[in-house]
Amino acid sequence: AQKITQTQPGMFVQEKEAVTLDCTYDTSDQSYGLFWYKQPSSGEMIFLIYQGSYDEQNATEGRYSLNFQKARKSANLVISASQLGDSAMYFCAMREGTDSWGKFQFGAGTQVVVTP
Amino acid sequence: DGGITQSPKYLFRKEGQNVTLSCEQNLNHDAMYWYRQDPGQGLRLIYYSQIVNDFQKGDIAEGYSVSREKKESFPLTVTSAQKNPTAFYLCASSPRLAGGTGELFFGEGSRLTVL
Repeated sequence: AQKITQTQPGMFVQEKEAVTLDCTYDTSDQSYGLFWYKQPSSGEMIFLIYQGSYDEQNATEGRYSLNFQKARKSANLVISASQLGDSAMYFCAMREGTDSWGKFQFGAGTQVVVTP
Repeated sequence: DGGITQSPKYLFRKEGQNVTLSCEQNLNHDAMYWYRQDPGQGLRLIYYSQIVNDFQKGDIAEGYSVSREKKESFPLTVTSAQKNPTAFYLCASSPRLAGGTGELFFGEGSRLTVL
């Protein structure tokens, strides 16, 4: 069964605008971690932001913030003030369990294109 | 600089041949992983290893094999039994940190094309 669902295959956003990328997850574990990665056309995966299941505050990293709604099992990524360099594929991922390392499950990704 | 090195970056193979993709890390991470990515799709886990001389199958292990003889190295062999091996392969590692995020660190990937 799909554990990570990203329902937006692609989206266009204008430069300087904010964009929200949706991610819902499915787990019965109480302890888990949620991650967002960026994949430019070159292929490397760049870690953006992390949210732990017990974290009460939403995670923020510069222009990235994670809108964590535990009851809804959603972990949406918000990119503020989009830049042309933000054009890339974005993946939501989850690691289940109490260990700080383990198997990761990835969503299918959302392709973001930032236009001038 | 610390990081993960994958080689080769591009590889062409004839049907029926085995190929081995190299993955080396100097981050002193315990865990290492191999993922496969097909065009327009997410990453699927092939194999992972949490300790030297031990590894576990992921979701799509059939037709692949790995070894973990050294902490730094986790090579992936794509065997002739893999029916559709053309894909982008990503190696990753992660640290074991108490209370840490333990995010995955990725190599730059290897693109395998079967002719």
